[in-house]
Amino acid sequence: EAGVVQSPRYKIIEKKQPVAFWCNPISGHNTLYWYLQNLGQGPELLIRYENEEAVDDSQLPKDRFSAERLKGVDSTLKIQPAELGDSAVYLCASSLDERGGSEQYFGPGTRLTVT
Amino acid sequence: GNSVTQMEGPVTLSEEAFLTINCTYTATGYPSLFWYVQYPGEGLQLLLKATKADDKGSNKGFEATYRKETTSFHLEKGSVQVSDSAVYFCALLSGSARQLTFGSGTQLTVLP
Repeated sequence: EAGVVQSPRYKIIEKKQPVAFWCNPISGHNTLYWYLQNLGQGPELLIRYENEEAVDDSQLPKDRFSAERLKGVDSTLKIQPAELGDSAVYLCASSLDERGGSEQYFGPGTRLTVT
Repeated sequence: GNSVTQMEGPVTLSEEAFLTINCTYTATGYPSLFWYVQYPGEGLQLLLKATKADDKGSNKGFEATYRKETTSFHLEKGSVQVSDSAVYFCALLSGSARQLTFGSGTQLTVLP
């Protein structure tokens, strides 16, 4: 079974440029998460989707970040414009459903460097 | 709010040594507790979990017991291997918030 797929794996951009990250969750998983992981820190949730609905986006900086999950499968996270402080690893995860004990499976992440 | 405090690293051990990585938490209600492992260049993988007090999670020789009285979930392994070198994250899942709260991670290096 294929795991969570993310692309690109690495991205280097100049500040003020836009950037987008793509995630393909495990087939059949209804819940999708985007996390931000700063160097030396644990992941922090940015947004959670149940199918195509964003049910928790309270920690997403909406002035520059946006996300979508059309058709309830793949998802895209966008930053426009990027700032130096956005340099981090962006992780995507999926789980079978929204139940509290449903295991989350993580992708390898996209490492963003903003120069 | 919810929080997880982990033993700071890095931790360096010789092969076959005993491992303990401390983890304590603050949460409302009755959270589920997890240990995730992140190998170099890979995503986080669930190592073990416990969903209620006194449960013991175990996997690949690693163990952790959910201690509600001390709000702890320490990770242990009796004999580490070089292949265990990775970053270990303690996390909790609050039933109401339905989101994982992670500790800052502990880097483990096992030397042959």
